[in-house]
Amino acid sequence: KQEVTQIPAALSVPEGENLVLNCSFTDSAIYNLQWFRQDPGKGLTSLLLIQSSQREQTSGRLNASLDKSSGRSTLYIAASQPGDSATYLCAGRGSGAGSYQLTFGKGTKLSVIP
Amino acid sequence: NAGVTQTPKFQVLKTGQSMTLQCAQDMNHNSMYWYRQDPGMGLRLIYYSASEGTTDKGEVPNGYNVSRLNKREFSLRLESAAPSQTSVYFCASSISVDGYEQYFGPGTRLTVT
Repeated sequence: KQEVTQIPAALSVPEGENLVLNCSFTDSAIYNLQWFRQDPGKGLTSLLLIQSSQREQTSGRLNASLDKSSGRSTLYIAASQPGDSATYLCAGRGSGAGSYQLTFGKGTKLSVIP
Repeated sequence: NAGVTQTPKFQVLKTGQSMTLQCAQDMNHNSMYWYRQDPGMGLRLIYYSASEGTTDKGEVPNGYNVSRLNKREFSLRLESAAPSQTSVYFCASSISVDGYEQYFGPGTRLTVT
């Protein structure tokens, strides 16, 4: 069964800093991985979906990477802003039976200090 | 486009009461999902519907039933609510179950006393 871990649980950085959020998964037969942002009391906003055949996916100041062999994905945020403050969740989808199911990490709560 | 909408936003139930959470999407997606989010547990899949007319259990289906009313709507029913079902419930949809991006609704915060 896929397990997804996000460390650290919380991260605080000054505005303008580049930062990396980490996501580890146990099953290297991952089909794809999706990064989400969740603001307090709100739903999840999809940021990036990276397929197992891709190594990177970019959207604006965000860049997600996926390394199946090491069981890691990272979300790079360039030039962080206070508006980036939120909880970031990663979720992996396996291949084969059960590939419909996303397995979520518990998230990293990011605070960007002005 | 409204995307995925959920009603109600908040609900308080007494133990043993029943209720139905409603979800609708306007993206013409085939697949829909119900998740629950609990502190320290992450999001867990309750039920999903791969396409209109089909539903299947996810990781934590006990105590819940679902209905895929049509392509747009997918409801979650609690027949006899228990305090353990206090949670935030999210509905999501995707083009299909085959690895497509999932889009989430704003959630329903349910408290069972």
